[in-house]
Amino acid sequence: AQSVTQLDSQVPVFEEAPVELRCNYSSSVSVYLFWYVQYPNQGLQLLLKYLSGSTLVKGINGFEAEFNKSQTSFHLRKPSVHISDTAEYFCAVSGGSGYSTLTFGKGTMLLVSP
Amino acid sequence: DGGITQSPKYLFRKEGQNVTLSCEQNLNHDAMYWYRQDPGQGLRLIYYSQIVNDFQKGDIAEGYSVSREKKESFPLTVTSAQKNPTAFYLCASSIRSGRAGDTQYFGPGTRLTVL
Repeated sequence: AQSVTQLDSQVPVFEEAPVELRCNYSSSVSVYLFWYVQYPNQGLQLLLKYLSGSTLVKGINGFEAEFNKSQTSFHLRKPSVHISDTAEYFCAVSGGSGYSTLTFGKGTMLLVSP
Repeated sequence: DGGITQSPKYLFRKEGQNVTLSCEQNLNHDAMYWYRQDPGQGLRLIYYSQIVNDFQKGDIAEGYSVSREKKESFPLTVTSAQKNPTAFYLCASSIRSGRAGDTQYFGPGTRLTVL
C-alpha cells in the first residue's frame, strides 16, 4: 500500500517570493511521483513527474521538484511565484512497476497575494 | 482538439434518484478512471477500467456503478445507495492499460449537488 502526506493545507505567499510545497510518501516498493495543479472548478493538469534518473525534475510554469529517496519526499518549488499560480496543488504516487493506480495527497492551496 | 469531455458541468438531483455522469475521450487511451473530490480530501478513486468491457472497483466504489462498452466512453452512475453523493467528480484517462508512470489526463469535472 502507498500513501501521500501533504504537510500544509494552505500556503500563503507574496508575489515574486519563492515557495516550497511539501510532499512525503510511504510505499513498500519503488515509486513514481507526480505533481498536479488544479485551478478553481477545473480538472487537474500535470506539472511534472519523476520516473527515474535525475532526482531534480523540471516542469511547466517554472516549477521543479526534487526526489529524495532517503527522506521519502518530493517537494515542489518555484523561485518566484505569480498571482496566476494561485491554485490547489496535489502530490500523487504510483507503484514503480507493472500496473498501479495513483494515490493522491489531500492537496495544498497556494494563495499568492500582491 | 483531443481531450476529455465531461457533461454536464453542474448537475442537481433530488435525494433518492440515480444519476449518470458522462465521460468521453478522443485521445485513443486504453485506461479510464473516475475520482471523487471533496474539500480537503484530495481525490479518491471510485472505479477504473483498463480495457473495454472490463472495470475494477477503486477505494470508494460503494453506491456507484460504471460501464465500459466503448473505448472512448466511461459513464458513472451515482445510485440512491450512495449516502453522501454531493461532490465534484473527475474523469481521467491514460494511454496504456493503467501502467504505473503513465500520465493521467483529466476532464473538467462535474459538480453534483443532491438536494
